[in-house]
Amino acid sequence: GAVVSQHPSWVICKSGTSVKIECRSLDFQATTMFWYRQFPKQSLMLMATSNEGSKATYEQGVEKDKFLINHASLTLSTLTVTSAHPEDSSFYICSAGTSGRNAYEQYFGPGTRLTVT
Amino acid sequence: AQSVTQLDSHVSVSEGTPVLLRCNYSSSYSPSLFWYVQHPNKGLQLLLKYTSAATLVKGINGFEAEFKKSETSFHLTKPSAHMSDAAEYFCVVSGGGGFKTIFGAGTRLFVKA
Repeated sequence: GAVVSQHPSWVICKSGTSVKIECRSLDFQATTMFWYRQFPKQSLMLMATSNEGSKATYEQGVEKDKFLINHASLTLSTLTVTSAHPEDSSFYICSAGTSGRNAYEQYFGPGTRLTVT
Repeated sequence: AQSVTQLDSHVSVSEGTPVLLRCNYSSSYSPSLFWYVQHPNKGLQLLLKYTSAATLVKGINGFEAEFKKSETSFHLTKPSAHMSDAAEYFCVVSGGGGFKTIFGAGTRLFVKA
């Protein structure tokens, strides 16, 4: 149980285009989802927290107009990187939590590797 | 406020020898503590978690960790390293009535044949 999927697992796009990444909780309903970014050989950095049906809360320094997050249902959150540039190339990982489970545990997706050329 | 410090950026051991990855934490609340492993270009896999039950926590793949409140530590150990254990390990703390989690900087484990 508690499986989180991400799609796509990797994507290459041209500079200036937008890319959408999906995060799904497959066997539970997630009231809260999180988006992380990980640069090579570094730890995970929380970008934003999203709750179903409300606006995402972004961490300081994260551009909300560039990284659009939508949490339209209890099983799906999407991250759209708008007007992507090479510096946006990174590993993006989502996670999901729910009040029905351990409140302090998140279930992580497998990650999406984004390369912007 | 919460923080987590992984004391070693990298650890190198020989196959068959013990593994010790060190983690200290700071928390104003009763924390939940986790260890995750990440293989190259992969997502995170939960090794084990502490959530105020037994202080010695056993996880998958022979790993275990001991919560020591007096030392604010949650070190990860394994009696005998295997080549497949080579990966990045993250110590994570959460708590305070929400899901927010703080990741350590990570420890890269190298296993020599």
